[in-house]
Amino acid sequence: QVQLQESGPGLVKPSETLSLTCTVSGDSISSYYWSWIRQPPGKGLEWIGYVYYSGSTNYNPSLESRVTISVDTSKNQISLKLTSVTAADTAVYYCARLVATKVDLWGQGTLVTVSS
Amino acid sequence: QSVLTQPPSVSAAPGQKVTISCSGSSSNIGNNYVSWYQQLPGTAPKLLIYDNNKRPSGIPDRFSGSKSGTSATLGITGLQTGDEADYYCGTWDSGLSANWVFGGGTKLTVL
Repeated sequence: QVQLQESGPGLVKPSETLSLTCTVSGDSISSYYWSWIRQPPGKGLEWIGYVYYSGSTNYNPSLESRVTISVDTSKNQISLKLTSVTAADTAVYYCARLVATKVDLWGQGTLVTVSS
Repeated sequence: QSVLTQPPSVSAAPGQKVTISCSGSSSNIGNNYVSWYQQLPGTAPKLLIYDNNKRPSGIPDRFSGSKSGTSATLGITGLQTGDEADYYCGTWDSGLSANWVFGGGTKLTVL
């Protein structure tokens, strides 16, 4: 069965760059769109953006100036970089598979706290 | 402020039926398929309904979805205490660029 596992630092200082990796196991990442979605504590879901296995991307306009999502097909991994973070970026970050009209697979999520 | 509007909370007794609405516009719900996600406390969201009214394998038929115009509805019958969760609708928004959008979420309480 396909599984998604997020990894990366749980604590990031303000103004620095948040970097996360999602490792996909059980299937190739080819032929799918891969998304990052976040959820601040006690709040709802916010779509960050997606990357196609070919490398093409699309980002939430509210985050576009600070976000980069990339794919490494050789490692079956998707990466997220979010620059100039503030406390408002504290959230659980989910890696997810986007298939046509639905998000059909989610990672377990990883909490990233922005604090000095 | 979410692009898709959901009631913050709904509640009903065990065994009863509840509906959760999701309101959008022609750039999202009106011209795209809607999906629904269940998030149990402390867990990642899970796909519940896709393409407006289809259920992934393993999802009981107590859960149903429908869409009319620029609104969608999730229905849950035979409520169980294990259905207490947050529910989110989601769809594409084909505005200036194709973005995925979620509703603000609805907390279901089974009294």
